[in-house]
Amino acid sequence: DIVMTQSPDFLAVSLGERATINCKSSQTIFYGSNNKNYLAWYQQKPGHPPKLLFYWASTRESGVPDRFSASGSGTDFTLTINSLQPDDVAVYYCHQYYGAVLTFGGGTKVEI
Amino acid sequence: EVQLVASGGGMAQPGRSLRLSCVASGFTLDDTAMHWIRQAPGKGLEWVSSVNWKGDVKAYADSVKGRFTISRDDAKSSLYLQMDSLRHEDTALYYCAKALQYNNDAFDVWGRGTMVTVSS
Repeated sequence: DIVMTQSPDFLAVSLGERATINCKSSQTIFYGSNNKNYLAWYQQKPGHPPKLLFYWASTRESGVPDRFSASGSGTDFTLTINSLQPDDVAVYYCHQYYGAVLTFGGGTKVEI
Repeated sequence: EVQLVASGGGMAQPGRSLRLSCVASGFTLDDTAMHWIRQAPGKGLEWVSSVNWKGDVKAYADSVKGRFTISRDDAKSSLYLQMDSLRHEDTALYYCAKALQYNNDAFDVWGRGTMVTVSS
């Protein structure tokens, strides 16, 4: 199975500052036939289900503020939150959907 | 409004069974793959199972293979998870989720989850 490793586990960022979350897969999740990275990012707030932020590594889901951005390819991916807002306090997960077994990173808790 | 509502959770003894249901509204269930994902208390997300739009391709996490069975009834806009031979480690909040389209896809709609507690 593909192992997804997120770092850091916990991130404290001042209001208005940038948060950067990393996600590394144990093998490539880039499929050359369609030129896509099979990676998604989710935001989960306490007591709520996860919310999709990005898919195909960098395609923003409708309604996601543009202070959120995502990048990366192959095995290394990044989620960036520019100008952190109080509403961004949450746990963020990366998720690979390349393999037969789908896996998630362990999560990164972002606080102010 | 696109919505998924999961139900059927509860408390069960080890070795017993539970059947989870997930009812979809606001979209056509048979257009898309569907998944179950679980989250143990205070822990991260674990994918459990998926079924494709036709219902003929199913996949399971190793931790549940041979014990859990996923199924769908598009006429009832419903997804199911039959959970047999339950273990303590199956205790979790179980979410149903809609894939963007295929089994290998991101999950764009999540239900609120139904809690399963396995305890003697």
